[in-house]
Amino acid sequence: QSALTQEASVSGTVGQKVTLSCTGNSNNIGSYAVGWYQQISHGAPKTVMFGNSLPSGIPDRFSGSKSGTTASLTISGLQPEDEADYYCSTWDYSLSAWVFGGGTKLTVL
Amino acid sequence: QVQLVESGGGVVQPGGSLRLSCAASGFTFTRNDMHWVRQAPGKGLEWVAFIRHDGSNKYHADSVKGRFTISRDNSKNTLYLQMNSLRAEDTAVYYCAKAMNRDGYSYFDYWGQGTLVTVSS
Repeated sequence: QSALTQEASVSGTVGQKVTLSCTGNSNNIGSYAVGWYQQISHGAPKTVMFGNSLPSGIPDRFSGSKSGTTASLTISGLQPEDEADYYCSTWDYSLSAWVFGGGTKLTVL
Repeated sequence: QVQLVESGGGVVQPGGSLRLSCAASGFTFTRNDMHWVRQAPGKGLEWVAFIRHDGSNKYHADSVKGRFTISRDNSKNTLYLQMNSLRAEDTAVYYCAKAMNRDGYSYFDYWGQGTLVTVSS
């Protein structure tokens, strides 16, 4: 069982806005920023969000936010190439470990 | 551009050992913290180990503590993962990842392509 909880699957149509969530507790998300990682067809992961900052080369339709112990990744204007598994991750100070969510499979209909 | 190239994966029997390497280029390796992350077949990402840029501090996941050891050779721009007492549940693709610190927080930044470790008799 993952320390962070994500939806197993989310779907949307091209052009739609979708939001993926990641829920933790005060030991992790409540105290630290969250990174988001995209994995297409079990290839190498790619970083798409540092907290609420975009890595270079990532389109600005991606945005990140956090409220309390829940972080969110929003994709505005969904594109076919956004179909992937998305993982959230942060540091957990009670575990002295980086923790991941179980991943959300995003399907673009 | 940043490149991380893992090697050393393969098939090993339960109880055996393997050493993974990750050759880094395109950035100042000596100034960057590094991670190993793994992914079992059909499963999600699992953090394995972390090492500070100068090797002064290391963390290992409970699932590998006492069996795996992360290390680095800054003169060779290479990250290592020594894996001993391997178990079937260690079967996974192992990724090395460059860490990035921003605004006091740490993230995974660039990732390698991964190397497959299969533990089987």
